[in-house]
Amino acid sequence: KQEVTQIPAALSVPEGENLVLNCSFTDSAIYNLQWFRQDPGKGLTSLLLIQSSQREQTSGRLNASLDKSSGRSTLYIAASQPGDSATYLCAVIRLPGTALIFGKGTTLSVSS
Amino acid sequence: NAGVTQTPKFQVLKTGQSMTLQCAQDMNHEYMSWYRQDPGMGLRLIHYSVGAGITDQGEVPNGYNVSRSTTEDFPLRLLSAAPSQTSVYFCASSPTDTNEKLFFGSGTQLSVL
Repeated sequence: KQEVTQIPAALSVPEGENLVLNCSFTDSAIYNLQWFRQDPGKGLTSLLLIQSSQREQTSGRLNASLDKSSGRSTLYIAASQPGDSATYLCAVIRLPGTALIFGKGTTLSVSS
Repeated sequence: NAGVTQTPKFQVLKTGQSMTLQCAQDMNHEYMSWYRQDPGMGLRLIHYSVGAGITDQGEVPNGYNVSRSTTEDFPLRLLSAAPSQTSVYFCASSPTDTNEKLFFGSGTQLSVL
């Protein structure tokens, strides 16, 4: 059974710092991996999606990498800002039409 | 463009009551799904639909029913509410079942007393 783990569960950094959020999954047979952002009391917003054949995706200050063979993904946030404060979740699917399996998230707090 | 709209935002039920959580999307997405989010458990898939008239079970379907009579709407029915169904419920939609371009609603916070 696929399990997705995110470490750390919470992270506090000063504004301007570069940071890395980690995601690991137990079954490397995935179709794609996504990173989401969730603000308190809100739904999830998709940030980046990496297909199983890709190594990384970039959007603005965000860069997500995927090492499928080792079951790891990282989300790199450059020059963090207070507006980046949120919970970040990663999720994988094995095949189209199957369930997204989510990690429990990393709650990020960026102080000004 | 409204995206994915969920109603109500908050609901309190007594054990044994039934209710329907509404979900509507205006993006003509074929794939729709319902998740529940519980502290310490993450999000888990309840039911999903790959198009009008087609639904299937996810990881935690017991106690819930769904139907998909139109592309736009995907209601979730609680048949006989139990305290274990206290959770935050999210509806999501995407153009295909690969979950690419996945959009979530803002959630329904449900408490069952």
